[in-house]
Amino acid sequence: DAGITQSPRHKVTETGTPVTLRCHQTENHRYMYWYRQDPGHGLRLIHYSYGVKDTDKGEVSDGYSVSRSKTEDFLLTLESATSSQTSVYFCAISRGLGDQPQHFGDGTRLSIL
Amino acid sequence: AQSVAQPEDQVNVAEGNPLTVKCTYSVSGNPYLFWYVQYPNRGLQFLLKYITGDNLVKGSYGFEAEFNKSQTSFHLKKPSALVSDSALYFCAVSHVGGTASKLTFGTGTRLQVTL
Repeated sequence: DAGITQSPRHKVTETGTPVTLRCHQTENHRYMYWYRQDPGHGLRLIHYSYGVKDTDKGEVSDGYSVSRSKTEDFLLTLESATSSQTSVYFCAISRGLGDQPQHFGDGTRLSIL
Repeated sequence: AQSVAQPEDQVNVAEGNPLTVKCTYSVSGNPYLFWYVQYPNRGLQFLLKYITGDNLVKGSYGFEAEFNKSQTSFHLKKPSALVSDSALYFCAVSHVGGTASKLTFGTGTRLQVTL
């Protein structure tokens, strides 16, 4: 398995609170991604990073921000959590573009009450 | 815009029988196609990919996939199913645009293999 660690693995919080999820990799891959998985939607891209301090939006980025200050760490922040952000969040890493597969962490299950 | 369709929410097959999980795609240009598997409480695991060349791609755990350009399909197959193959399967297409490759996933197909 690719060296990807997501923390925490589970979190329950209340509407309006800030939440930060962490993705840590030991593979030295350039590209990192955050997805959310919801029934009936598959996985949808939230944000991604193509290098240290280089990030961009995915298809469902509203309400989320990211930061990458080191190659190995990619943080996803919900500034003010809402119930619609209850989901399972996955981090993925990739060596390169196009034909390179992405490798996934085991996810964070986030419940917002 | 690219898209992926997995028309079956669930596929049921008896152990030892062949299995097929269907996927069709829409993308401009040449597609990069992937299959992933997800076991309960785990992340997605890469199974196989089609980039170019032979239309039959072999992957992990005895799985293979057939690329058909005219039908824009990329169906996942296995000659003899195992109970341990029961899982959620995702088809995805990669698009290289701007600064990174972005995967677009289908909604997933649950494979149930019974004795």
